[in-house]
Amino acid sequence: RKEVEQDPGPFNVPEGATVAFNCTYSNSASQSFFWYRQDCRKEPKLLMSVYSSGNEDGRFTAQLNRASQYISLLIRDSKLSDSATYLCVVNRVGGFQKLVFGTGTRLLVSP
Amino acid sequence: GAVVSQHPSRVICKSGTSVKIECRSLDFQATTMFWYRQFPKQSLMLMATSNEGSKATYEQGVEKDKFLINHASLTLSTLTVTSAHPEDSSFYICSATPPRLAGSDTQYFGPGTRLTVL
Repeated sequence: RKEVEQDPGPFNVPEGATVAFNCTYSNSASQSFFWYRQDCRKEPKLLMSVYSSGNEDGRFTAQLNRASQYISLLIRDSKLSDSATYLCVVNRVGGFQKLVFGTGTRLLVSP
Repeated sequence: GAVVSQHPSRVICKSGTSVKIECRSLDFQATTMFWYRQFPKQSLMLMATSNEGSKATYEQGVEKDKFLINHASLTLSTLTVTSAHPEDSSFYICSATPPRLAGSDTQYFGPGTRLTVL
């Protein structure tokens, strides 16, 4: 089983739609969780950290379910500029600051 | 915000040559930097942890004699791909954690270097 698993997509949605991605992680001892955004042929950029209480940043909401070991990202009112690959990232247990990346979920927002 | 730069952004070289990639933290000092590699349609994979003033630590399966890492100052780490071969063609990305986020796992990434070995 992969350490971090994501549905690769692509998710094709129209502008204005709400879309949600899930990610599962295998190690229950993981402590840090993130969503990164990666545009084609570019570096990953931190979108948001994910906390147990859930957190929201504008149109983006991230939630963590420790019992089920999954992380979600909700994007409301999708914009064309949201088209990208969204990477789920979890810290490697026992490796301070070492991160494990999912393969990403591709989102395509169309007019 | 934190800024990490890389140079060059793209390099094309012949098989057998060595390529040096620089990673700089522009507005903070980084005692630790990380080097990742990403093949097409795959996830980022950590190659090694670069430690200022000491030897880098490599992930399992990464040849330390092939991927030489030097972290000579608090703002610069270099990755040298020695005797590069076509299978080394990949997107190499470095990252660092700014001091204000010390103790967290948050990392900021450089823009990456796309290496093509002919």
